[in-house]
Parts: sequence; structure tokens; C-alpha cells
Amino acid sequence: NAGVMQNPRHLVRRRGQEARLRCSPMKGHSHVYWYRQLPEEGLKFMVYLQKENIIDESGMPKERFSAEFPKEGPSILRIQQVVRGDSAAYFCASSPLQDWMNTEAFFGQGTRLTVV
Amino acid sequence: DAKTTQPNSMESNEEEPVHLPCNHSTISGTDYIHWYRQLPSQGPEYVIHGLTSNVNNRMASLAIAEDRKSSTLILHRATLRDAAVYYCILSTNSGYALNFGKGTSLLVTP
Repeated sequence: NAGVMQNPRHLVRRRGQEARLRCSPMKGHSHVYWYRQLPEEGLKFMVYLQKENIIDESGMPKERFSAEFPKEGPSILRIQQVVRGDSAAYFCASSPLQDWMNTEAFFGQGTRLTVV
Repeated sequence: DAKTTQPNSMESNEEEPVHLPCNHSTISGTDYIHWYRQLPSQGPEYVIHGLTSNVNNRMASLAIAEDRKSSTLILHRATLRDAAVYYCILSTNSGYALNFGKGTSLLVTP
């Protein structure tokens, strides 16, 4: 059973371009979370999605950032018009249960975005 | 939101037990205590979690104080592969986020 798969592992974008980060949850998991980690910092929650629904996007910037988890295919985190401050590692996690407080989350290896 | 306090760093000798402390004095009755660790350039990895009773699994043990205001992650025999940042996190019913703080950076020396 493959773990949480994120791609690409490394992404370089010029300022003003768009970045698309993909996350395939573990098989059978329908709950996906996105986190961002700035250098030397802990992870910060961005958004929680279930299939075709955004449940909690309280940690996601209001502008330029969007996320989706379609019925088919991976979850996508999209950053439009990237700026240098968007450079970070972006991690995706998935879990099998809706009782998220009493279960473990499985994290991917992350996508390291560098904006030049 | 309930917060956790951990030492910035700790050091251990290989094959010795390690006790990683965490204070969470504002924990509420329904908050679970989770521990994750992050190896360099890796995603976080689940270690253990619990509510009130002590918990054991193949990776570690979690000792929870009777008043639940603190807990300790116990690695029974540290190995060099256990060198990582360890995060103590409370999952609360006020949101869906796992709130990672700065964690404790564990150094294991041969």
C-alpha cells in the first residue's frame, strides 16, 4: 500500500508564475490536509478537504491560494502569481477516519517550492 | 486554543532511554495528545497518541500525567535514526488542524 504521494518533490517558479502541487492520499483515505513549513519553522495548517468539499480553509491565505480534491484524481494546491515569500515546503497528509482527533495522519514527503 | 510547551533541544546517547517532556496546562477534557516526529528533509511521521491512559506501541511509550497537564514521550533505546524534531500536539474540537509548534530537536550521539 503506497503512502501519501506528493509531486513534484521540488518545484522552481519565477515570481508571477503559477505553482500546482499534487497530492494522492493513501488508498482508502478520503480526508486530505495541506500544511506549509517555512524554513526553521513548524508546520502550519492551511486547508482540510474531503472529496469534492472544502471543510476548513481557515489557514489558507485569502488571495492567490486555492485547493481542491475532486471525485477522481489527486488533491491540488494551487498558488497563483507566486512571490518569494511563498518559498516553503508544502506537505499533504491523509487520514482514513472522520474522527480525526483520535487517529493518525499520514504525511507525504512534501513539495519544496522555490520562487526565484 | 490549548498550546504545548517543549524544550528546544535535547541530547541523548545511543541505546539509552530518552524522555521527551511536554507541558499542556490548558488542555481540555476532550483534547487528544499526539506526538509526531520529523527527520531532516522528510515529512512528519506519526509516533503515538493518547487521551488519558498511558499508551505503548512499537515505536515509543506515552506517559500522561494524572491531571493531563503534561505528558512524556519515552523512546526506550535511542538509535541514531531517532535523531529528529519531535512535536507534541493537541488535537482539539475547535478545528481540524494539528498545530505544530517548534518541537524538540533530539540529538543522538554514538
